[in-house]
Amino acid sequence: QVQLVESGGGVVQPGRSLRLSCAASGFTFSSYGMEWVRQAPGKGLEWVAVIWYDGSNKYYADSVKGRFTVSRDNSKNTVYLQMNNLRAEDTAAYFCARYNSGHEDYWGQGTLVTVSS
Amino acid sequence: DIQMTQSPSSLSASVGDRVTITCQASQDISNYLNWYQQKSGKAPKLLIYDASNLETGVPSRFSGSGSGTDFSFTISSLQPEDIATYYCQHYDNRAALTFGGGTKVEIK
Repeated sequence: QVQLVESGGGVVQPGRSLRLSCAASGFTFSSYGMEWVRQAPGKGLEWVAVIWYDGSNKYYADSVKGRFTVSRDNSKNTVYLQMNNLRAEDTAAYFCARYNSGHEDYWGQGTLVTVSS
Repeated sequence: DIQMTQSPSSLSASVGDRVTITCQASQDISNYLNWYQQKSGKAPKLLIYDASNLETGVPSRFSGSGSGTDFSFTISSLQPEDIATYYCQHYDNRAALTFGGGTKVEIK
């Protein structure tokens, strides 16, 4: 069965970096785009980034452009989110999701990132 | 950038009631519109894709309609397990996403 498992969250000081991972299993990872979506405490869903199935295209929300980088390793069935220069407003649960022909059909359980001094 | 305006932000209804949520796009998005359910502390779950298609395994009391700029999502008979926040979501040809603000559904 399809599984997405995020890891790498934690507490980090403003201005520092963190790398999130999302390990996929149960499907042909290299055939699907992957999304990162976040949710600040008590708030709605916010799209963060997408990487196409082969890594050829990557797009970011304006709020993270220039600070976050999405990448993938299809040999390891893993997508990453490198987050630099973190701000308090980046505090959120971060979800990875599989992009399937216009919709996200599988989601991970999320990993919590807290940016605080 | 396309904006998605979802209403109401919250609603309270009785078990068995018909519940409708609307979502308006700031420009024509054809049928590039999905609906998700998120229960407290959980990841979102896809219910409706491409405006009106029911995801496999989702109960038929959920439905969606619309195209262009105006969309709606309906629960035909509200059940206790439907307590959740519902989001509309637009996707574009880059696979970039825009979410509506969400609608919290509670039981009266």
